[in-house]
Amino acid sequence: TQLLEQSPQFLSIQEGENLTVYCNSSSVFSSLQWYRQEPGEGPVLLVTVVTGGEVKKLKRLTFQFGDARKDSSLHITAAQPGDTGLYLCAGGGDYKLSFGAGTTVTVRA
Amino acid sequence: GAVVSQHPSRVICKSGTSVKIECRSLDFQATTMFWYRQFPKKSLMLMATSNEGSKATYEQGVEKDKFLINHASLTLSTLTVTSAHPEDSSFYICSARPHEGVSYNEQFFGPGTRLTVL
Repeated sequence: TQLLEQSPQFLSIQEGENLTVYCNSSSVFSSLQWYRQEPGEGPVLLVTVVTGGEVKKLKRLTFQFGDARKDSSLHITAAQPGDTGLYLCAGGGDYKLSFGAGTTVTVRA
Repeated sequence: GAVVSQHPSRVICKSGTSVKIECRSLDFQATTMFWYRQFPKKSLMLMATSNEGSKATYEQGVEKDKFLINHASLTLSTLTVTSAHPEDSSFYICSARPHEGVSYNEQFFGPGTRLTVL
């Protein structure tokens, strides 16, 4: 089983501030996904990163895949209350995904 | 595209009864579907991998006779919690991996089913 460690576990910030969530592993992944989940709903796929060193942007969200493909980060610029949720990184092989423990992000208005 | 539905969204049942949860891929075919369990403020725990036309593969520690999985078609998988007990109360989420057009381990998730066993 490939383990993914996410940090921090909880993050509470004021609207307009920036935040970064980290996802680390000792294993190499062919790809990593980031999901956001709101209470009582299923996770929604935000992005897939596949190339070492890759940077992808989705509006105010910036995703980076480490050069060695063992880690990834999610950076949110000028966070808004709508960004509140549980952020999960996931990766794996043979079609199965291993999930990080998740980062609960709360953006206060 | 890539929409997955689950039914029911919530279910409350008495201890000892069985509950069936359906997972459907609405606009794509899914050779493989996955069933997860999630505890409050925790991450997803994979229970089993469901393959169309074959037996499900269960993760270690998951009782296959307790959690029956059937994947009868490329768009439907069902999870039946048999003889449910209060400790089975949880949020159950399914996901589906498209049969075609996906190069990586992307999965699309249903909205989840909240099971409460009294």
